[in-house]
Amino acid sequence: NAGVTQTPKFRVLKTGQSMTLLCAQDMNHEYMYWYRQDPGMGLRLIHYSVGEGTTAKGEVPDGYNVSRLKKQNFLLGLESAAPSQTSVYFCASSATSGSTGELFFGEGSRLTVL
Amino acid sequence: SQQGEEDPQALSIQEGENATMNCSYKTSINNLQWYRQNSGRGLVHLILIRSNEREKHSGRLRVTLDTSKKSSSLLITASRAADTASYFCATDNDYKLSFGAGTTVTVRA
Repeated sequence: NAGVTQTPKFRVLKTGQSMTLLCAQDMNHEYMYWYRQDPGMGLRLIHYSVGEGTTAKGEVPDGYNVSRLKKQNFLLGLESAAPSQTSVYFCASSATSGSTGELFFGEGSRLTVL
Repeated sequence: SQQGEEDPQALSIQEGENATMNCSYKTSINNLQWYRQNSGRGLVHLILIRSNEREKHSGRLRVTLDTSKKSSSLLITASRAADTASYFCATDNDYKLSFGAGTTVTVRA
């Protein structure tokens, strides 16, 4: 069983380019999350979803968009990448609200914006 | 904004020793979770402690929660090289978790 799978694992972009990170989970979880991790900052929530067709803003949503068209997939888009978006991005999912149950994380997507 | 803050930021211990790290948070919580992250990997859930619990054990892990002080501690007993990782506390915030910056633990052989 794969759990939470993120693609791609690594990507280098030039400023202004766009890209989409894909997160797929095979655990039939309702809740999905996108975090970014920067040195010394811990994980910060970008966007999250409480079910298929829903999305909501997290702590640092600016410059990102998301979609949850299918229950198993949660897409994170960067429309016009900036160097400040250089980070490691983690997707997570949970069966119940993240406040009541454990999160299952993917292995991360390392993005560099030049 | 981050809810939890771990202390210390980094910890280096000898194999076989115990490692203790603390987490302080600002607002009331329903539960608190601890996660481990090995270098270059995703986070892995270790333990969840509810606000009405004071102590919880899981293998070599012991977590305490003091809601009056808004703090939690994670103790790893008889540490092993494989325990080398970053450890994060996470507190609930509506539907989501807020993570601290983590404690990096190095276990020396």
